[in-house]
Amino acid sequence: GENVEQHPSTLSVQEGDSAVIKCTYSDSASNYFPWYKQELGKRPQLIIDIRSNVGEKKDQRIAVTLNKTAKHFSLHITETQPEDSAVYFCAPVHGGSQGNLIFGKGTKLSVKP
Amino acid sequence: GAGVSQSPSNKVTEKGKDVELRCDPISGHTALYWYRQSLGQGLEFLIYFQGNSAPDKSGLPSDRFSAERTGGSVSTLTIQRTQQEDSAVYLCASSHTGGLSAQYFGAGTRLSVL
Repeated sequence: GENVEQHPSTLSVQEGDSAVIKCTYSDSASNYFPWYKQELGKRPQLIIDIRSNVGEKKDQRIAVTLNKTAKHFSLHITETQPEDSAVYFCAPVHGGSQGNLIFGKGTKLSVKP
Repeated sequence: GAGVSQSPSNKVTEKGKDVELRCDPISGHTALYWYRQSLGQGLEFLIYFQGNSAPDKSGLPSDRFSAERTGGSVSTLTIQRTQQEDSAVYLCASSHTGGLSAQYFGAGTRLSVL
């Protein structure tokens, strides 16, 4: 089955700095790569996703980059704000699967004002 | 509805009792998933429903856990003879077509087994 790892497990940055979280996966057939944000006590919410025919996708301050050869994808947050503080999960999906998500263990991001 | 709805939001039960958790997916979404999240942990897949197909039960941790989905819409997760290790937040998600489409989560049911 899919083995998913996230690094780092915790990340503390100063407001305005950039943050990068990396997700590595084992299944070369994975072809859908979402990132979820979960604020304390709240539900996970999809913030950005990318498919395997694209190398990079950007949405305002958030971007995701994909390296299929190396089997990793990364979440980039620029100009971080305190409201970006949350746990971020990656969940790569096997192309032939039904979509049940195998989540990474999460990265706790703290943005200090 | 506007989003995925789960009830109850909190459930406290005694060890050995049965509990039922409900999920109302986004209207028109054919796929429905149940996950479990223990304190400070990631999400663990439990079960998946897609249309009228047989559910994928591969993530259910024991035979005390079961789920059904009636009429392709509302789903109920049942835990029989609850144990303390069942304490967790149970999250439901739905997606438009399953597979590679985005999943939208409910707020979850926090289950506490005393």
